[in-house]
Amino acid sequence: EAQVTQNPRYLITVTGKKLTVTCSQNMNHEYMSWYRQDPGLGLRQIYYSMNVEVTDKGDVPEGYKVSRKEKRNFPLILESPSPNQTSLYFCASSFGQGDEQFFGPGTRLTVL
Amino acid sequence: QKEVEQDPGPLSVPEGAIVSLNCTYSNSAFQYFMWYRQYSRKGPELLMYTYSSGNKEDGRFTAQVDKSSKYISLFIRDSQPSDSATYLCAMRKGNNDMRFGAGTRLTVKP
Repeated sequence: EAQVTQNPRYLITVTGKKLTVTCSQNMNHEYMSWYRQDPGLGLRQIYYSMNVEVTDKGDVPEGYKVSRKEKRNFPLILESPSPNQTSLYFCASSFGQGDEQFFGPGTRLTVL
Repeated sequence: QKEVEQDPGPLSVPEGAIVSLNCTYSNSAFQYFMWYRQYSRKGPELLMYTYSSGNKEDGRFTAQVDKSSKYISLFIRDSQPSDSATYLCAMRKGNNDMRFGAGTRLTVKP
């Protein structure tokens, strides 16, 4: 089944404890991106990747890192999480930058 | 002012009703317009995609874009309980720069 998977689905952590949210797609998509979804603000792009080893900042990159070492994986790293990063995170992938994006199921992160 | 404004609702309608969902935007550079449906605890999925002004119909769904008014709409005919979800409008200038509305939560009651 073609899909985007994210792990974990739910995470509660404390301020400053490094964490990684994994994202993997099995559709051989070149373009991948991370979004956060907050009430009243909609989806906002954090980082995106056009291809392996090519990443760029989205609209709200502060406090996040990403890497794209393999085509199928695009992990999101929070080196020192803070409470304002409590949010619902979505990974998405598409063949190209302007093509239909397929979203993962989301990761609900709470930073205490 | 946000680039994309969408009434968050919630909107509750009886089964069979016609639903109208709307977004307004401020940037005339937007060319591609989309509607996503997001079920509870799921990621958004693309529902409708239109380029520039005009109408597009797909089954019970019709998307309208009025670039002169900077206004887009999604109509759902003969609404069903399975249509209960949050609907997100989205728009894009070029290949990137996607902007999403905050989403409207819709409930269709049997």
